[in-house]
Amino acid sequence: AQSVTQLDSQVPVFEEAPVELRCNYSSSVSVYLFWYVQYPNQGLQLLLKYLSGSTLVKGINGFEAEFNKSQTSFHLRKPSVHISDTAEYFCAVSRMDSSYKLIFGSGTRLLVRP
Amino acid sequence: DSGVTQTPKHLITATGQRVTLRCSPRSGDLSVYWYQQSLDQGLQFLIQYYNGEERAKGNILERFSAQQFPDLHSELNLSSLELGDSALYFCASSGPDRGTDTQYFGPGTRLTVL
Repeated sequence: AQSVTQLDSQVPVFEEAPVELRCNYSSSVSVYLFWYVQYPNQGLQLLLKYLSGSTLVKGINGFEAEFNKSQTSFHLRKPSVHISDTAEYFCAVSRMDSSYKLIFGSGTRLLVRP
Repeated sequence: DSGVTQTPKHLITATGQRVTLRCSPRSGDLSVYWYQQSLDQGLQFLIQYYNGEERAKGNILERFSAQQFPDLHSELNLSSLELGDSALYFCASSGPDRGTDTQYFGPGTRLTVL
């Protein structure tokens, strides 16, 4: 079975500061990795995904994530956040070899303060 | 706008009742996934359909059922509703049945059971 852990339920940060949202996963088989963002009262939007190749993945809105196989991590980073980045961020995995259902972490609420 | 539509946006009903949630996938997408988002369980995969056939099942209660029609829209039926079924229900769609395909999420249906 797969599982995803997002240790930080909330991350407060000041505007224009860098941020890192942590994600660790557990799986006995190879997985694809995703970060989704959910703005208030909206659905989920894909930020970025890791399928294979370069371990540094760039996504939308200036976000990037690095896949670390040895540490089974896929942390999300942004060098300078904006007020508009305030949202809930979800890390997710899907197996490479069967149903591609997404297994989500519990989410991290990013709160950007002026 | 992800291209995935869900109706209704909000649904308020009473315990013991039955409701139907509807999802129209993006044009050309063959896979439809249903997820439930609740405060205590987080985001959980319920069921997946591919081109009209059930492909995978998650933690879906026996009181819940789904189907995908020839025009590829999908319906999630929830019966004998309980207070604990109150949640946000998302539908997502993706293209050919490959794990590399992005799942695009609809805006969700908020179900409130009183």
